[in-house]
Amino acid sequence: TQLLEQSPQFLSIQEGENLTVYCNSSSVFSSLQWYRQEPGEGPVLLVTVVTGGEVKKLKRLTFQFGDARKDSSLHITAAQPGDTGLYLCAGALRNRDDKIIFGKGTRLHILP
Amino acid sequence: KAGVTQTPRYLIKTRGQQVTLSCSPISGHRSVSWYQQTPGQGLQFLFEYFSETQRNKGNFPGRFSGRQFSNSRSEMNVSTLELGDSALYLCASSLVPARSYEQYFGPGTRLTVT
Repeated sequence: TQLLEQSPQFLSIQEGENLTVYCNSSSVFSSLQWYRQEPGEGPVLLVTVVTGGEVKKLKRLTFQFGDARKDSSLHITAAQPGDTGLYLCAGALRNRDDKIIFGKGTRLHILP
Repeated sequence: KAGVTQTPRYLIKTRGQQVTLSCSPISGHRSVSWYQQTPGQGLQFLFEYFSETQRNKGNFPGRFSGRQFSNSRSEMNVSTLELGDSALYLCASSLVPARSYEQYFGPGTRLTVT
C-alpha cells in the first residue's frame, strides 16, 4: 500500500505554462518535504513544511501543506525547461515513530 | 561545506555475490538513512542510523544490513545478491534523526546485478 500518492505521475507542458502537482495521504504527517531529482543524481531538498495550512514560496514555486497535514501541493508558475525533473514528496509519519516515507514522484517535462 | 558523498558511484556485481556501499555524511550530521530507488517502487526506506545505532528499519530482507561508525560514516551491505537488487542506492544525512529535520542526499550508488 502506497501511503503517499503523487499525481499526476507524468506531466509534459510547454514553457511558460502553470502547473500543480499533488501529494495525498490518509495519514497525518509531522512534516512534509518536497525534493527534485535529476537523472543520475540524488534528490535535492526544495522545502520543508511543518504547520497545517502553511504556504511557502521559492521563486516561482509555491508549496502548500494541507490544514489536516495529510496532503500537500506544489504549484509552478511560468514553468521553464530547467524545472524538468522528478518531483518527490516525503513525509514523516506522525504515529509511526516519524518514519519517513516517499511518494513515487511526478515526472515533469517542460518543453521549450 | 562538502555534501554527502557515496562510493562507489557505479557497481556491477553477479548474482550471489555480496556488496558494500559507503556513505560519508555532511560534517556535523549524525544521522544517516539509506534508501533503495527503483523505477517500479520508487524510493524505499532501508534503515536509519544515529549515534552508531540502528534506529529504524524498513521492510527489506535480512540480506540488507548496515552499520555506522563513530565518525558518523555509514556502510550498507547486501549479501547473496539477486537480480532484483539492481537499483540506485541513496544515502541521506541529517543533523539528528530525520523527523522534522531535512535530509540531504548523496548522488547515489548505481548497482547492477547480472
